Amino acid sequence: SSELTQDPAISVALGQTVRITCQGDSLRSYYGNWYQKKPGQAPVFVIFGKNIRASGIPDRFSVSTSGDTTSLIITGAQAEDEADYYCNSRDSTNSHWVFGGGTKLTVL
Amino acid sequence: EVQLLESGGGVVQPGGSLRLSCVASQFTFSNYWMTWVRQAPGGGLEWVASIKHDGSEKTYVDSVKGRFTISRDNTKKSLYLQMDSLRVEDTAVFYCAREARTHYYYMDVWGKGTTVIVSS
Repeated sequence: SSELTQDPAISVALGQTVRITCQGDSLRSYYGNWYQKKPGQAPVFVIFGKNIRASGIPDRFSVSTSGDTTSLIITGAQAEDEADYYCNSRDSTNSHWVFGGGTKLTVL
Repeated sequence: EVQLLESGGGVVQPGGSLRLSCVASQFTFSNYWMTWVRQAPGGGLEWVASIKHDGSEKTYVDSVKGRFTISRDNTKKSLYLQMDSLRVEDTAVFYCAREARTHYYYMDVWGKGTTVIVSS
C-alpha cells in the first residue's frame, strides 16, 4: 500500500501532551517525516528520521516509531502549535512520495 | 537565508496551460533533488513531481502523468513545472520544495507557494 493514514482532527489542552499518529506500510521501510501547515503559510518541516528536529523547531516536538506507525508527540502544547500536521515518506517502492491526509490540531 | 520563491500561477481555463517557476537562493541548487507539492482548496498536501539534481530522472503522481512536465535549469537555479491540459481539479496552491536524500528522505525547504485556478 502507498497510503498514509492520519486522524482528521485532535484537540489538546494548553500545556498538555498530544500524540498525532500516521500509519502505513511504507513506514516499515522508510522513516516518516512531519510538517506543520498553518492557513496561508508554507509548510514547515518539523522532524524526520530517528527523532531529528529541523533547525529552529522547539524540543517539545519529538517522534516515536514502531512498525508501520510513526507518531508526532508534542510535550506541553502551546497555542502557536495549533495547525495542520502532515506526515510523509517514500512509498514502498521508493519511486514516489506519499503524504498522509493531515491532522488538524486544536489547542484548547 | 536558504529560500525558494515560486511564480507563474494564475487563472486559466480548463484545457489550458501554465508554467510555474521556482527560483532558489543561498544553497547549491545543483546538488539537490527538487519537488513540486500542491494543496487543493480544503484538501491536504499532495506530491506532484520530483526531479533529480542533474535532471536525468523525473517522477510524477499518476494523476498528472502525460500532462505535467518537471524540468530545471541549474545555471539559473530554477525549477519549472509545465502544466498542460489543465483540469478544474488541478486548482491548488503549488509549492516547490528541496529534497534531502542522504540516509533519510525528507523535504526540508519550502517556498511560499503560487496559486493556480482552473476555471471557465
